[in-house]
Amino acid sequence: ELKVEQNPLFLSMQEGKNYTIYCNYSTTSDRLYWYRQDPGKSLESLFVLLSNGAVKQEGRLMASLDTKARLSTLHITAAVHDLSATYFCAVDSPDNAGNMLTFGGGTRLMVKP
Amino acid sequence: ETGVTQSPTHLIKTRGQQVTLRCSSQSGHNTVSWYQQALGQGPQFIFQYYREEENGRGNFPPRFSGLQFPNYSSELNVNALELDDSALYLCASSQLAGDGEQYFGPGTRLTVT
Repeated sequence: ELKVEQNPLFLSMQEGKNYTIYCNYSTTSDRLYWYRQDPGKSLESLFVLLSNGAVKQEGRLMASLDTKARLSTLHITAAVHDLSATYFCAVDSPDNAGNMLTFGGGTRLMVKP
Repeated sequence: ETGVTQSPTHLIKTRGQQVTLRCSSQSGHNTVSWYQQALGQGPQFIFQYYREEENGRGNFPPRFSGLQFPNYSSELNVNALELDDSALYLCASSQLAGDGEQYFGPGTRLTVT
């Protein structure tokens, strides 16, 4: 059974600081997704990572995938308050027919002025 | 391009009742997946429909059932509601042969009393 773990579960940081969120998963997969969720809202797609070594950047966020280590990271550069949200990674197991995601428990990010 | 829509937005039901939630997929997408998100947790995969047939199922009992229609819209039915069924129900559409990126609807908040 595929398991996905994120850490930290909660992150409080100052504006302008850098930090990394980690996502580990238990079985082989080369399809990993990052989502953002604001309180009471749905999931917004941030990044789609489809191969070992994939790196994608959008604004202050950069995501990478190491399929051999079964690890993805979401790096935050010079955080701003607008980045406050819960971030989820999700993995698509190759054992299923496709597009069935197993999510991590989420990282709640709070950026303080 | 029309995004994923869900109805209703909120719903309150009593334990033992039955509920139907509805989802219209994004145009051009042929696959609909349903997820349950309990408060403070990551979404959990319920099942997926492709070409009007169930294409995969998570660890949910048979009282969770669904349908997909020829226009790719979908329903989630839950019988014999339990208090633990209280959650945000998210519908996601995707193209099965694509990169697996799923586009989520706004969700239906179900409260069981």
